[in-house]
Amino acid sequence: SAVISQKPSRDICQRGTSLTIQCQVDSQVTMMFWYRQQPGQSLTLIATANQGSEATYESGFVIDKFPISRPNLTFSTLTVSNMSPEDSSIYLCSVEVDRGSNEQYFGPGTRLTVT
Amino acid sequence: AQSVTQLGSHVSVSEGALVLLRCNYSSSVPPYLFWYVQYPNQGLQLLLKYTTGATLVKGINGFEAEFKKSETSFHLTKPSAHMSDAAEYFCAVSDLDYNQGGKLIFGQGTELSVKP
Repeated sequence: SAVISQKPSRDICQRGTSLTIQCQVDSQVTMMFWYRQQPGQSLTLIATANQGSEATYESGFVIDKFPISRPNLTFSTLTVSNMSPEDSSIYLCSVEVDRGSNEQYFGPGTRLTVT
Repeated sequence: AQSVTQLGSHVSVSEGALVLLRCNYSSSVPPYLFWYVQYPNQGLQLLLKYTTGATLVKGINGFEAEFKKSETSFHLTKPSAHMSDAAEYFCAVSDLDYNQGGKLIFGQGTELSVKP
C-alpha cells in the first residue's frame, strides 16, 4: 500500500484564479493519476502523470486548463487554471504501487469551491 | 472499451441485514475488477479486487464479491450490516486496452444507508 497526502485539503477560490494541488506519496511510484469527482458524481480520470514524460490527458481535459507536473517519483501537482464555478469538485490523486497490478491507492482529496 | 454499471444509486438496509450492492461490467477481455469505499469527506479505500484465480474474493471489513463471467457481474456482499458501513461504494474495472496501464473506469456509485 501507500500513504498519500494532498494539500490543500479544501479551498474556496474566486473565479478566474488558479489553484495548485499537491500530492505527496511515501514511496516511489511510477504511475500517478489525477481524478475529478464532481458533486454527487463518480470519479473521472483527468490525466496520468508519469515521471520524466508529459502527462497524458483524457478526452475533455486539456493541458492549458489542468497543467500537471511530476518532478520525481513521490510528488505531483495539478493546477486548475482560470477557474469557473463548474470547476467546483473534489480532486483526487492516486498511485499504482505495484506496476501492472492496476491497484490504485487514493489520497484524501482536495475539495475545491469556486465562487 | 470497458464500462461499469452499478444498479441502484441508493441502497438502505437495517443493521444486521444482508448487504448486496450490484455491479455489472462490459469488457472484451478478462477484466480486473475492484470495489472501493468512500466515507464522507475522505478519499477512496480499496475494499477488494479480482484479477485471476478464485472467483470469490474476500476483502476488508467482512465484505466479499464474486466474479461471474457468464453474468458479467461483480456484486458486493456482506452478511450483516453495521452502522459503520454507511458510505459510498464504487465498482471499478481496469481498462486493459489503456496502453499506459492502470486506468480505472468507475461506476456511478451506490450510497449505502444502514438503519438502526
